[in-house]
Amino acid sequence: GEDVEQSLFLSVREGDSSVINCTYTDSSSTYLYWYKQEPGAGLQLLTYIFSNMDMKQDQRLTVLLNKKDKHLSLRIADTQTGDSAIYFCAERINNNNDMRFGAGTRLTVKP
Amino acid sequence: NAGVTQTPKFQVLKTGQSMTLQCAQDMNHEYMSWYRQDPGMGLRLIHYSVGAGITDQGEVPNGYNVSRSTTEDFPLRLLSAAPSQTSVYFCASSPGWSYEQYFGPGTRLTVT
Repeated sequence: GEDVEQSLFLSVREGDSSVINCTYTDSSSTYLYWYKQEPGAGLQLLTYIFSNMDMKQDQRLTVLLNKKDKHLSLRIADTQTGDSAIYFCAERINNNNDMRFGAGTRLTVKP
Repeated sequence: NAGVTQTPKFQVLKTGQSMTLQCAQDMNHEYMSWYRQDPGMGLRLIHYSVGAGITDQGEVPNGYNVSRSTTEDFPLRLLSAAPSQTSVYFCASSPGWSYEQYFGPGTRLTVT
């Protein structure tokens, strides 16, 4: 498909793990990103993964990349109420300055 | 460093009015971009610039003009505002195309 796709909503309990999934469009994309947007703010880069990697871990964040299925996921361990935000998946289209963003997944963390 | 700054934060226009959204960065980044964010949709690229004097169209350029006379500034002009341009506009900059983009706080524009 043409769009970067994400589910729109995810709700978890504090302390649980959150997994946000994304499917992207271009198998030649070189960089894939996860951005976080808090209310009224711009997007903040959380992490990124280069296309020759399968996994990247950064503290509570784990990114998994399945190039065959063009599937990207973000796992947040020990989710906290401060993690409540909208999370955007994005791909950098190869040889192009264009970045394609998903519609964002709104994560709600319940105490 | 202030990072990426955008003004104004909020703006209401009447149909047919024109205005310029300002964007500035103090990180000496070559790449700058404008996106719009609409409910239920990802960010869509309007225009981008790979350096002073160079601009190009993104996915949704119609109704918008840009210029890049300096490395620091990348204003977005709405020539004749339409209600379909009601959106939140984000400016971003990066050192190069493969690098992290730094986003401004956004401008919320309403066209009535």
